Parts: sequence; C-alpha cells; structure tokens
Amino acid sequence: AQSVTQLDSHVSVSEGTPVLLRCNYSSSYSPSLFWYVQHPNKGLQLLLKYTSAATLVKGINGFEAEFKKSETSFHLTKPSAHMSDAAEYFCVVSVVMTRFQKLVFGTGTRLLVSP
Amino acid sequence: EAQVTQNPRYLITVTGKKLTVTCSQNMNHEYMSWYRQDPGLGLRQIYYSMNVEVTDKGDVPEGYKVSRKEKRNFPLILESPSPNQTSLYFCASKSPRVDTQYFGPGTRLTVL
Repeated sequence: AQSVTQLDSHVSVSEGTPVLLRCNYSSSYSPSLFWYVQHPNKGLQLLLKYTSAATLVKGINGFEAEFKKSETSFHLTKPSAHMSDAAEYFCVVSVVMTRFQKLVFGTGTRLLVSP
Repeated sequence: EAQVTQNPRYLITVTGKKLTVTCSQNMNHEYMSWYRQDPGLGLRQIYYSMNVEVTDKGDVPEGYKVSRKEKRNFPLILESPSPNQTSLYFCASKSPRVDTQYFGPGTRLTVL
C-alpha cells in the first residue's frame, strides 16, 4: 500500500539557515509525490510536485525537492529560511486506483523559524 | 478567480444536531473530495466523488454522508454529530487530466 512517512514532527531553524524536511514514501508503482504547505489558519497550498519528468523539482518560494528512488525519499529543502516559511508541511503520495486519484498525506512537519 | 469555497468556516454545535458543510468549486472539476485533519494524523479522506451522482467512501466515512447532485457542489452532511467529529475539514477538487488537487480554506467544526 502507498504511504508516506515524515520523519520529523517539528523542525526548528534560524532565519537564513538551510531547511530540510524529510519524507520517505512507500509505493508499489511509480509514484506522484507532492509537498503542500499550510500556514496558520489557512488552507493548503501546493508547493511542488514530482510526476517522473525530472528528479529535482523546483517549487514556489525557493523550495525544491529531490526524488531518490534508491532511497525512497522525497526530501524538501530550501537554502535559506525566511520567517514567512513558518508553517506546517505535508508530504503527499498520489495513489491511482482505477479511474481516480487518492492522496495519502503524511502526518506533517511543523517548521519553526526563529530570528 | 479559480477557487474552492467552503461554508461555514467555523461552526460550534452540540451532539446530535444535524449539520451540513457546503463545498463549491468554479473550475468545472469532475473530481471532489472531503478530508478531515487531526493533530498528528495529517489529512484523511472521508468521501470522494468522481462525478455527478457518483460517490464513494474514503478511509474514514463513518458518521458522514455526502451528495453530488450538481457538478460544482459537494456538501458534507453530519446527521448526528458527535464530539469525535470535532476536526478541521477540507474540501478539494481536481480535473481527471491533471495531478493537482485544489483545496478549500477549511471548516473548523467543534461538537460539544
């Protein structure tokens, strides 16, 4: 069965330092993977998605993620954190079942950014 | 503007009092879905619909009903809410031709 595991429930960084949010996936098929961000009291916004075109995926706000099949990982990175990056981040795998797509969410990683 | 809207955004109710959370999208999407978000559990799918009059259960459907009489609307119905349905609810929609789901702003429900 398809699933994702977010390895850290909380990550704390200082403004200007790199961000790494870790995600491992399990999938019987070639997966589609996504990262969504949820700012406090806001809805979910798509950061980036991997759909087999390129292993390094660039998203919005300077984030990127690298698909590594050998490690079954899809970690999210950003070279320099900004205060506005403080939010909860979800790694998501798409499960294709017959004619529809189901999203399976990780449990989320809360990113804290200190001045 | 392409969007998914939900109403109400916040609701406090009591056990057993029927309620409906509405969801509407203006992108002509065939596929719509409801999720609930609970701390430490991420989002879990409640029900989904592939098109008008076509609905099916997700992972946590107990205590919920849905209907899809029009393409743009996908209401979530709680016939007899209980405190364990206190949660943050998201509606989403997508076209079958693309991977990306579009999410509504969320409805925070508290059942006392």
